[in-house]
Amino acid sequence: DTEVTQTPKHLVMGMTNKKSLKCEQHMGHRAMYWYKQKAKKPPELMFVYSYEKLSINESVPSRFSPECPNSSLLNLHLHALQPEDSALYLCASSPLRGGEKLFFGSGTQLSVL
Amino acid sequence: QQPVQSPQAVILREGEDAVINCSSSKALYSVHWYRQKHGEAPVFLMILLKGGEQKGHEKISASFNEKKQQSSLYLTASQLSYSGTYFCGTEMAPKPNSGNTPLVFGKGTRLSVIA
Repeated sequence: DTEVTQTPKHLVMGMTNKKSLKCEQHMGHRAMYWYKQKAKKPPELMFVYSYEKLSINESVPSRFSPECPNSSLLNLHLHALQPEDSALYLCASSPLRGGEKLFFGSGTQLSVL
Repeated sequence: QQPVQSPQAVILREGEDAVINCSSSKALYSVHWYRQKHGEAPVFLMILLKGGEQKGHEKISASFNEKKQQSSLYLTASQLSYSGTYFCGTEMAPKPNSGNTPLVFGKGTRLSVIA
């Protein structure tokens, strides 16, 4: 299994809603990532988990809360988002060593109304 | 630090060639190339690890000049399916006891191939 599975593919939420994005991989990768991508922009790193511990938080607002329950799962909890948070959210994984490719999930297209 | 990509956009007719460049002011460990179509996730093309390394993938190849911290992606005899946005991602040397360093992506090059 060489896939990263993300759900849901599309999400529309109001500014008072709480929702979660889910990501799963079974490749034994010990590094997992959340990227945010706005239209016509490159993916921007949000969080990195290494061995299920948060190793990098790129000054992301607290309305985004990541969680790594085990080595295969990565969640992103969303609460009180703003319309400007609408974007494509990409999960990725890789081995925890240099020079390895990122395996991206298909992404969640999020719209905040 | 974000790598610099050029050009920002290019339009090709089928069968024409193109070169996309990526440069960094920092010493690089590797350069990754991805292609992304609208609304989809980036698709991996190749990684270059060593100075002077060149790799090929069908009619798409790339080189990495470690001394200049530059990489180029070569698209030959372009096809309609090559249309999309091309991103380079750069990786710094792994930190001791910390594993890899995350990719930082350039701003992208929008490639349009027309019939």
